[in-house]
Amino acid sequence: SQKIEQNSEALNIQEGKTATLTCNYTNYSPAYLQWYRQDPGRGPVFLLLIRENEKEKRKERLKVTFDTTLKQSLFHITASQPADSATYLCALDSGGANNLFFGTGTRLTVIP
Amino acid sequence: DTAVSQTPKYLVTQMGNDKSIKCEQNLGHDTMYWYKQDSKKFLKIMFSYNNKELIINETVPNRFSPKSPDKAHLNLHINSLELGDSAVYFCASSATSLPATGELFFGEGSRLTVL
Repeated sequence: SQKIEQNSEALNIQEGKTATLTCNYTNYSPAYLQWYRQDPGRGPVFLLLIRENEKEKRKERLKVTFDTTLKQSLFHITASQPADSATYLCALDSGGANNLFFGTGTRLTVIP
Repeated sequence: DTAVSQTPKYLVTQMGNDKSIKCEQNLGHDTMYWYKQDSKKFLKIMFSYNNKELIINETVPNRFSPKSPDKAHLNLHINSLELGDSAVYFCASSATSLPATGELFFGEGSRLTVL
């Protein structure tokens, strides 16, 4: 069956450290992968998109890697801040279809 | 101006009732979606729709039906509501029918509680 799993339901880190979130998928052949941020009571907000032929993408303090051999994406937040506390969702396509499928999410808490 | 807006934000109703959630986007996008987020925060696609094609997730009961009066609106109708329908429903839109070219813009969600 198809699965998109994110490493842990919750992750706590100290302010200033780098947070690393993992997204693993099985039985998908995505052309791209996206990361979203969701705050309580709000809709998800797009952060980054990385395509299958890209190894790494950066945006300010965010970095995403995509390894289609390992079927894994890593999402890094450097110099983390309490304001980065939120749930982070990875999402990918099913290969040729026009729908986006989401992972289980990781709730990140950055402790001051 | 809100890009993707949903109404109502909260909806409490009895089992067996029929209800609708409205969604409007002012981004000029041609594809809209409905997602369901359950109590475990898992976000699952229900429908995607553009002016040419409706794609239905096969696991969605036929009590759920999307209706699009025009390109900027995609409403969700739910018949014979069941307890298990309680969830937060998100509307979203994208610029094209291929999200590989860009991101989804989500509304703020509509929390449905079935008693």
